[in-house]
Order: sequence, then structure tokens, then C-alpha cells
Amino acid sequence: QQPVQSPQAVILREGEDAVINCSSSKALYSVHWYRQKHGEAPVFLMILLKGGEQKGHDKISASFNEKKQQSSLYLTASQLSYSGTYFCGTEYAAGNKLTFGGGTRVLVKP
Amino acid sequence: GAVVSQHPSWVICKSGTSVKIECRSLDFQATTMFWYRQFPKQSLMLMATSNEGSKATYEQGVEKDKFLINHASLTLSTLTVTSAHPEDSSFYICSAPDVYGYTFGSGTRLTVV
Repeated sequence: QQPVQSPQAVILREGEDAVINCSSSKALYSVHWYRQKHGEAPVFLMILLKGGEQKGHDKISASFNEKKQQSSLYLTASQLSYSGTYFCGTEYAAGNKLTFGGGTRVLVKP
Repeated sequence: GAVVSQHPSWVICKSGTSVKIECRSLDFQATTMFWYRQFPKQSLMLMATSNEGSKATYEQGVEKDKFLINHASLTLSTLTVTSAHPEDSSFYICSAPDVYGYTFGSGTRLTVV
């Protein structure tokens, strides 16, 4: 079952913040976040495991709410390089397979 | 970190011909390889899972006779698109689980004319 991502698209000015959500109807083992630029392969951002945790890398962070089976990706003080399509990938068991959400297109304008 | 090398990065072929895409794990053993397909402006959809030494598992709606998957060794998995048609034009990408999570190949853009 494909996780549900929201919003589908967001337009930001440089320096603004955004939140992207990823929800599953099934219990998750892990959530993976990727960013894909047009014509390129997805680039791994971070992985969150069940047990509920938060992680961060530079000004991009994420949380995993195990009770809600939802993960959120936070783009803080967005930069032009943050533009792209963000995908969450959910895993229901370790090493099982990744099922991707529909993606969220992010456009950061100067 | 782990690297999966995918070739070719792009290919243009005539309708009715076959195309082979290779994915090699360079510094780790990939007993499992996941094959995804991505149409423009859409998400990555899992096509099949290959396991070294056994038959591939195909997702519902994916024709196994059209998309031949072979996992010849612990470092090589191939996807062959047989009798390609324009509707098979897409971005194909492989992924292998590793100690960090999943490592993706760089993708292959297939255009069937």
C-alpha cells in the first residue's frame, strides 16, 4: 500500500519553512526520505526507524510518530538547492522493500 | 558508502527490440535487488524483486515475460525489457538494501521509438 504524502506541491521563498507529511495505514518499520531533481536518481536524505525518533541534517530534519504511523519532513530556512521532488519511502519490515509515496514538489524561489 | 552502478544511463531503442539494464553492487554483496519504474512526474513504482539464486518476485500487473530479471551473482542483477514498445519508455532504477538502508543506482532512461 502506497503511503500518502501531502501536500502535493509547495512554493517557497528562500528562507521560508515547509513541512511535508507522509502517512501510512499500516504499521511501519521505517521511513526513508529522498529528494529527486529532474532527470536524476533520488538522493537519500535520512532514515527514521520505529520507536519514534527525530533526525536532522543541516536545516532539513524529520520526525516519525509511531502512534500515528506518520512521518514529517521539515525544511527550515529553505535554500534554492532544496527545490526538487521529495519522496517518502516506507518499509514494513527490515529489508523488505520500499514503497514510495506520490511525492511532493518543492520549488524555492529567490 | 555503498555504491550501486547502473548501466546504461540512457538508451534509445526501436520498437520490438530488447534492452538490457545492469546493476552492480560495487563494494557490498546485494543478495536482493529491487527494480523500480518511474513515469514522468510520477512516483517510483516497484516492478519486481530479484534474489540471487532464485526466481524474481513480480508486483501485481507487471508482466514477467516482458520484464526479465536475472540475479546472476551477489553483485549483479539485470533487467531485460523484451519486445519494447513506446509505452515502456520510462526511467528504470534499481535499489539494493545495505547496512545504511537502501542504495539506488543512477537510473536508466529508456526511450522506445
